[in-house]
Amino acid sequence: DQQVKQNSPSLSVQEGRISILNCDYTNSMFDYFLWYKKYPAEGPTFLISISSIKDKNEDGRFTVFLNKSAKHLSLHIVPSQPGDSAVYFCAAREYGNKLVFGAGTILRVKS
Amino acid sequence: GAVVSQHPSRVICKSGTSVKIECRSLDFQATTMFWYRQFPKQSLMLMATSNEGSKATYEQGVEKDKFLINHASLTLSTLTVTSAHPEDSSFYICSASPGQGGGYTFGSGTRLTVV
Repeated sequence: DQQVKQNSPSLSVQEGRISILNCDYTNSMFDYFLWYKKYPAEGPTFLISISSIKDKNEDGRFTVFLNKSAKHLSLHIVPSQPGDSAVYFCAAREYGNKLVFGAGTILRVKS
Repeated sequence: GAVVSQHPSRVICKSGTSVKIECRSLDFQATTMFWYRQFPKQSLMLMATSNEGSKATYEQGVEKDKFLINHASLTLSTLTVTSAHPEDSSFYICSASPGQGGGYTFGSGTRLTVV
């Protein structure tokens, strides 16, 4: 049973526009939600996270929104840059424990 | 910041042999490390949680006799793939706490190819 779902396998965006990556989850016990960026044959690198008690967190061009009632979170990248092209993984942390990952979304930013 | 070093970055081995992958926390002590596996174009699947000084906790469906995990010190965890077969070919990634934003710090991964 997939507890963290990223239903869009890929997303293509024009440079300068907004990229919106979505993630849904089923477990109400997750206490942190994270976004990681990953390139092939490399480990994931942390991008931004949000605590389950908040609904928004912003860091530069990256903003994560959390809607607990809908069990949905999204990552907004504004403006999108070609260097943002990568695979983005949504992850959720069980209280003090392991991370559960979504399937990933390939983001392509076209110049 | 916290750094996790994983070695080797890639390895090719023959069927039936064993391969050891090392995961080191370079500037912090990690009582818990996590081992993930990623198949091509798929998510990172947690294989096991490695606890310093005790037995690892394996996820359902992961063969503990095939994937031996040792966490003998606070800075080193190893994953040994025993009697490797081509279906074990995959990308293996370790992680350790602490990490940014409530998460964990990940190693750079190991590409295992069994021929």
